[in-house]
Amino acid sequence: EAGVAQSPRYKIIEKRQSVAFWCNPISGHATLYWYQQILGQGPKLLIQFQNNGVVDDSQLPKDRFSAERLKGVDSTLKIQPAKLEDSAVYLCASSPNGSPLHFGNGTRLTVT
Amino acid sequence: AQSVTQLDSQVPVFEEAPVELRCNYSSSVSVYLFWYVQYPNQGLQLLLKYLSGSTLVKGINGFEAEFNKSQTSFHLRKPSVHISDTAEYFCAVSANNNDMRFGAGTRLTVKP
Repeated sequence: EAGVAQSPRYKIIEKRQSVAFWCNPISGHATLYWYQQILGQGPKLLIQFQNNGVVDDSQLPKDRFSAERLKGVDSTLKIQPAKLEDSAVYLCASSPNGSPLHFGNGTRLTVT
Repeated sequence: AQSVTQLDSQVPVFEEAPVELRCNYSSSVSVYLFWYVQYPNQGLQLLLKYLSGSTLVKGINGFEAEFNKSQTSFHLRKPSVHISDTAEYFCAVSANNNDMRFGAGTRLTVKP
């Protein structure tokens, strides 16, 4: 089966600019997750979707981060405006009914 | 909420030596436990998982882990490591099959 697809792989932006990441989960996986992985740390959950509804967004900085999964399939994560501390790898994961998660290769964001 | 502590941030070991990567968790409810491996510039790949049943879990690449409820631990072991095992290893815990939390990671470096 095809894995979780993410794009772009790398992105460099200046602070205060906007950026968007895209994720296409494994076909049939109802649950989709966005994680932020700062260098030297474990992944931190930003938001979890079940189909097109939000299950958990308690750790999403909602003043600048937003995410949507309108048709219950692919998803976008947006940061507007970006800060230096947003530099990280953004990982998308999906699962059919919870754990285990299948991860994409991530988008490495550098904010200068 | 559940949490994970990985007790060693770095573990250097010689090739063909045994290795143990330590993981402790805390949770007020029953949990599922996982170990993931992350190679450079890649997403996380599931090594093994404990959902229920036998406390000794075998995974891919010759790794195994033992769930110890009384000590709230889930240590990862391999009897003989290879150079190719050099990577970052993450322990993760999930309650009710949702909300997966990751540890900070252990960098395993296998030296010739």
